[in-house]
Amino acid sequence: GAGVSQSPRYKVAKRGQDVALRCDPISGHVSLFWYQQALGQGPEFLTYFQNEAQLDKSGLPSDRFFAERPEGSVSTLKIQRTQQEDSAVYLCASSHFDWGDTEAFFGQGTRLTVV
Amino acid sequence: GIQVEQSPPDLILQEGANSTLRCNFSDSVNNLQWFHQNPWGQLINLFYIPSGTKQNGRLSATTVATERYSLLYISSSQTTDSGVYFCAASSNSGYALNFGKGTSLLVTP
Repeated sequence: GAGVSQSPRYKVAKRGQDVALRCDPISGHVSLFWYQQALGQGPEFLTYFQNEAQLDKSGLPSDRFFAERPEGSVSTLKIQRTQQEDSAVYLCASSHFDWGDTEAFFGQGTRLTVV
Repeated sequence: GIQVEQSPPDLILQEGANSTLRCNFSDSVNNLQWFHQNPWGQLINLFYIPSGTKQNGRLSATTVATERYSLLYISSSQTTDSGVYFCAASSNSGYALNFGKGTSLLVTP
């Protein structure tokens, strides 16, 4: 596709439920990032993939958060046993090369509400 | 990691006015981007500008890397310019963009 695509756009989960968020990056982009944006705040880094390798997961808030990109293209962010503090917009971004000095493009985000 | 600070946090303008948004960063950068977040939450790329000056219509941006700041200029503002503007940067030793807290702009008719 022409841009970064995320699905679903909106997700309501009951507390304790597992959720999976999908990201389709721009075709051919090596780098893929996940960010979390709380209401009224700037996006915060969660994790980084270079192709299929997860090189940095330092921003994942707990071991309930897990991300994968098994074939170096589509990525999934999974949150187990969701809690109310997980409510946020989850943004995915991709860039062409494998370092920070190339322009990143963002998807439209998935708004997760945990009730 | 690199710290990014934006000012002002909020700005109200009348249609047709000009404005300048500022972004200070704490380290040398290999990437600096300006985004406009629309009401639906999408981050729209405005400029990729780790150094130098760029212009796109009524918007322009300048980054002075040696002094660790970037400016976004909006001229002849329109109501459709309303929204949150984010500056984000990655340091020379990094790869992930760190975001500022944003400037919330409201342009009134």
